[in-house]
Amino acid sequence: DVKVTQSSRYLVKRTGEKVFLECVQDMDHENMFWYRQDPGLGLRLIYFSYDVKMKEKGDIPEGYSVSREKKERFSLILESASTNQTSMYLCASSLLGISNQPQHFGDGTRLSIL
Amino acid sequence: AQTVTQSQPEMSVQEAETVTLSCTYDTSESDYYLFWYKQPPSRQMILVIRQEAYKQQNATENRFSVNFQKAAKSFSLKISDSQLGDAAMYFCAYRGGERGGGADGLTFGKGTHLIIQP
Repeated sequence: DVKVTQSSRYLVKRTGEKVFLECVQDMDHENMFWYRQDPGLGLRLIYFSYDVKMKEKGDIPEGYSVSREKKERFSLILESASTNQTSMYLCASSLLGISNQPQHFGDGTRLSIL
Repeated sequence: AQTVTQSQPEMSVQEAETVTLSCTYDTSESDYYLFWYKQPPSRQMILVIRQEAYKQQNATENRFSVNFQKAAKSFSLKISDSQLGDAAMYFCAYRGGERGGGADGLTFGKGTHLIIQP
């Protein structure tokens, strides 16, 4: 089974801090994704990557950046955390080259910015 | 940009009965993929069923089936013989085929909260 592991299940940070959310997958997937989930809004795509050192903006990239130095690891960075970034963050991965393949999700990180 | 609409924020069904969750989408692409994901209170997003737009036959996975109407841009999920373990948030999701190889992100609906009454 595919395993997508997010480093923290819950995280509390302060406004202005630089925050790192880490995601690791163990199935050699090329594609990795970061989503944000808010009640009543569903999931929204922040950034994605289809190869090491490659990144693409999703629908809501403002205030975020990402890093993909190794194939298995995809980090989401909040450069200067703000209260409106309090949310659930979900990481996902999928195989490249097989279009109907689903994305496999981690358990999510519930981030609170105080 | 593509949009996905789930018009039912919450649905309730008696155990063992059948329920249908609705989903419509808007796209100008001809090649795309549709998914239903389930998210129980544990937060793990679980794939329920998928449909390729080029396939006319509706996908089926055990008690779960879809009614895919491409012209109407509709993709509803039918759950037969509902079980208590089916209680969850259900999300409809769209992925375009433009980039190819599954490298596109998913566009999600806002979700439907499904309650199963014992």
